Amino acid sequence: DIVMTQSPLSLAVTPGEPASISCRSSQSLLHSNGYNFLAWYLQKPGQSPQLLIYLGSNRAFGVPDRFSGSGSGTDFSLKIRRVEAEDVGVYYCMQSLQTRFTFGPGTKLDFK
Amino acid sequence: QGQLVESGGGVVQPGRSLRLSCAASEFSFSGYAVHWVRQAPGKGLEWVAVMSYDGKYIFYIDSVKGRFTISRDNSKNMVFLEMNSLRPEDTAVYFCARDRDYHDISGGFDVWGPGTVVAVSS
Repeated sequence: DIVMTQSPLSLAVTPGEPASISCRSSQSLLHSNGYNFLAWYLQKPGQSPQLLIYLGSNRAFGVPDRFSGSGSGTDFSLKIRRVEAEDVGVYYCMQSLQTRFTFGPGTKLDFK
Repeated sequence: QGQLVESGGGVVQPGRSLRLSCAASEFSFSGYAVHWVRQAPGKGLEWVAVMSYDGKYIFYIDSVKGRFTISRDNSKNMVFLEMNSLRPEDTAVYFCARDRDYHDISGGFDVWGPGTVVAVSS
């Protein structure tokens, strides 16, 4: 199975400041079709997860443009241009190149 | 965008069975794969199983193979997860989630249900 790691596991930010989360996979997620099979999810406290980014860099419907995904192969990142109060929660990356999908351990984002 | 709602969770003894249901509405259900994802208390997300839109492709995480069975009824807009030989480590909130790709499985889960709690304990 593909193992996903994230760093940091915990992140305290000042509202209005940028934030960045790194995700690394044990194997390349780059498909022969040119897409990276990597998604990002946010689970807000007490809620179900929600899709932020799919295929490495595509924002899901309704996701604010302050969120951006980048990277290729085995190294990816999620950037939040200016963190807002509603962005607090746990962020997960997930690979879908192999149909035994695997999530990263999660990065908890909170305010300082 | 669509909605999913899970049901069927509860408290069950080790070795017993439980059947979860996931009801879909407000989208063309028969065109989308549906996944089950679980979250143990205080832990992260773990993908469990997926069935393609037409039922032709089914995949499971190794720890549930031979014990869990995913199925769907497109005429009723429902997906099911039959869980047998339950273990304490199966205790979790179980979410069903739609794969965003029409007639494909790409791993972007764009619609999630609120989850149903399964507790396996003697």
